[in-house]
Amino acid sequence: AQSVAQPEDQVNVAEGNPLTVKCTYSVSGNPYLFWYVQYPNRGLQFLLKYITGDNLVKGSYGFEAEFNKSQTSFHLKKPSALVSDSALYFCAVRATGQNFVFGPGTRLSVLP
Amino acid sequence: KAGVTQTPRYLIKTRGQQVTLSCSPISGHRSVSWYQQTPGQGLQFLFEYFSETQRNKGNFPGRFSGRQFSNSRSEMNVSTLELGDSALYLCASSLEGLSSGNTIYFGEGSWLTVV
Repeated sequence: AQSVAQPEDQVNVAEGNPLTVKCTYSVSGNPYLFWYVQYPNRGLQFLLKYITGDNLVKGSYGFEAEFNKSQTSFHLKKPSALVSDSALYFCAVRATGQNFVFGPGTRLSVLP
Repeated sequence: KAGVTQTPRYLIKTRGQQVTLSCSPISGHRSVSWYQQTPGQGLQFLFEYFSETQRNKGNFPGRFSGRQFSNSRSEMNVSTLELGDSALYLCASSLEGLSSGNTIYFGEGSWLTVV
């Protein structure tokens, strides 16, 4: 069975500092990994995904994520956080032929 | 290109009633999937439709059903509503079915409150 863990319910970071939102996964076979962001009262917006190839994936709004197969992790990063990055972030995994499985979400607060 | 459109955005229903939610996917997308989002359970997969056929189904009771039309538009129906069905229902579309690396794109959701 597939599963996704986001070990931190909440991440606080000062504006201008680097941010990391952690994600680990469990899946049989090769994973497809995704990050989505949700602003209040909105749907989820796609940020980036890893399918194959380079372990460092770059996405929207300056976000990037690093796929680490040995640690089964896919942490989301940004070099310099903005107040407008404050939102709920979801990591998701899917194996071939399987449904999307989302993590519980991590609330990011960027403090001015 | 227009995004995924869900209607209605907000609705209030009474226990025991039924509700139908609608989703229009991004033009050209043939796969539509539905998710329930609640504070306690997070995002849970309901079902996926591709070319008018249900391809995958999550662990929800039979009160939850859906369908997809020939133009890829989809509806989901919840019968005999319970208080616990109060949630944000999200629709997502993608070019192909879930058995691929395609990205799914979400609509704004339909907020259902059951009283």
